Amino acid sequence: EVVMTQSPATLSVSPGERATLSCRASQSVSSNLAWYQQKPGQSPRLLIDGASTRASGIPTRFSGSGSGTEFTLTISSLQSEDSAVYYCQQYYNWPPLTFGGGTKVEIK
Amino acid sequence: EVQLVESGGGLVQPGGSLRLSCVASGFTFSSYWMHWVRQPPGKGLVWVSRIHSDGSRTSYADSVKGRFTISRDNAKNTLYLQMNSLRGEDTAVYYCARESPVAVNFDSWGQGVLVTVSS
Repeated sequence: EVVMTQSPATLSVSPGERATLSCRASQSVSSNLAWYQQKPGQSPRLLIDGASTRASGIPTRFSGSGSGTEFTLTISSLQSEDSAVYYCQQYYNWPPLTFGGGTKVEIK
Repeated sequence: EVQLVESGGGLVQPGGSLRLSCVASGFTFSSYWMHWVRQPPGKGLVWVSRIHSDGSRTSYADSVKGRFTISRDNAKNTLYLQMNSLRGEDTAVYYCARESPVAVNFDSWGQGVLVTVSS
């Protein structure tokens, strides 16, 4: 099973600042990585597919990068509505499909 | 607009059974692979099961294999999850999710339904 590890667990960022979230895979997943955003009381929403492709309707301040075992989700200028938990998910070596434990982004 | 609406959750005793349903609308249900993903209270997302667009192929997480069965009725635009021999660790919000056409990730999610396994 591919283990996905996200860091940090919690990130506190001021509005307008950059937020950088990390996701590490226990083995290479190539670029088969997705990012999701989950706001309190809501279902997850797909943000990024293929490690770096924004899903439909996702603002350009969200960007993804990386390949192999190291990935990054960057929110270039944090907005108040970006307060959420962010999850990465690999779909290279499965079953099972696996998610990281999540990074909670708080607005400072 | 894509909509996925789950139902069938509730409180069940350990060892009991429950069947979840997910009614899809706004897209051609029969053309998409579908999944169940769960989220224990206060915890992260865990993939449970996947089913081919025509129902011919399925896969499961080891933790539910032999106890849970995923199925679908394309005539009714409905996805199911039959859960037997339920355990406390199955307590979670269960989401149905549509698989993206180009990758094995999830481009649409239902609102989720809570399953609580407790005596």
